[in-house]
Amino acid sequence: GEDVEQSLFLSVREGDSSVINCTYTDSSSTYLYWYKQEPGAGLQLLTYIFSNMDMKQDQRLTVLLNKKDKHLSLRIADTQTGDSAIYFCAESTGGGNKLTFGTGTQLKVEL
Amino acid sequence: GAVVSQHPSRVICKSGTSVKIECRSLDFQATTMFWYRQFPKQSLMLMATSNEGSKATYEQGVEKDKFLINHASLTLSTLTVTSAHPEDSSFYICSVGGRFETQYFGPGTRLLVL
Repeated sequence: GEDVEQSLFLSVREGDSSVINCTYTDSSSTYLYWYKQEPGAGLQLLTYIFSNMDMKQDQRLTVLLNKKDKHLSLRIADTQTGDSAIYFCAESTGGGNKLTFGTGTQLKVEL
Repeated sequence: GAVVSQHPSRVICKSGTSVKIECRSLDFQATTMFWYRQFPKQSLMLMATSNEGSKATYEQGVEKDKFLINHASLTLSTLTVTSAHPEDSSFYICSVGGRFETQYFGPGTRLLVL
């Protein structure tokens, strides 16, 4: 089956780095994604990584992919209060833009 | 990425009535749109895949006669919750399929059935 697991909650202090982890099971996924959801809103695509890459950096965001362990992480440098949200990882499955979403990690940034 | 809107953003209705939610792709022609349901503090549950000009593909356990989906054009898909009941109260989100197998999401519609 296709299960994407994340830890439920992460709390960091403003200015620190945040690392959100995700494990997935479908080794045939072509792309993996990170989405951000603020309260009462839809999901915002933050970044994605092609499955043959190990790392992708985009400003404060760094994505690491370990295909052997089926582990994906999102590092947010210099975390700000505006980064407080729920973060979902997702993998492409079966083509046709169909995605399987993780359980979501709530990030809380404290002053 | 694609810009996606949903209307209404929030709706309250009486039990037994039907509610229509619109999903529009504002700057992108979408052959495929997706409808999700999200319960508080939970992940997204895919309800159906909406294909322009053809019947929607529903996920297992989703009643197609209760959740009617119409994708009549490349920019509009609608979800109609028929004979709504309090247990249908939820956050409904649509998305549009984009490049690199991504999805771009609308802002969601909060449905409350009294």
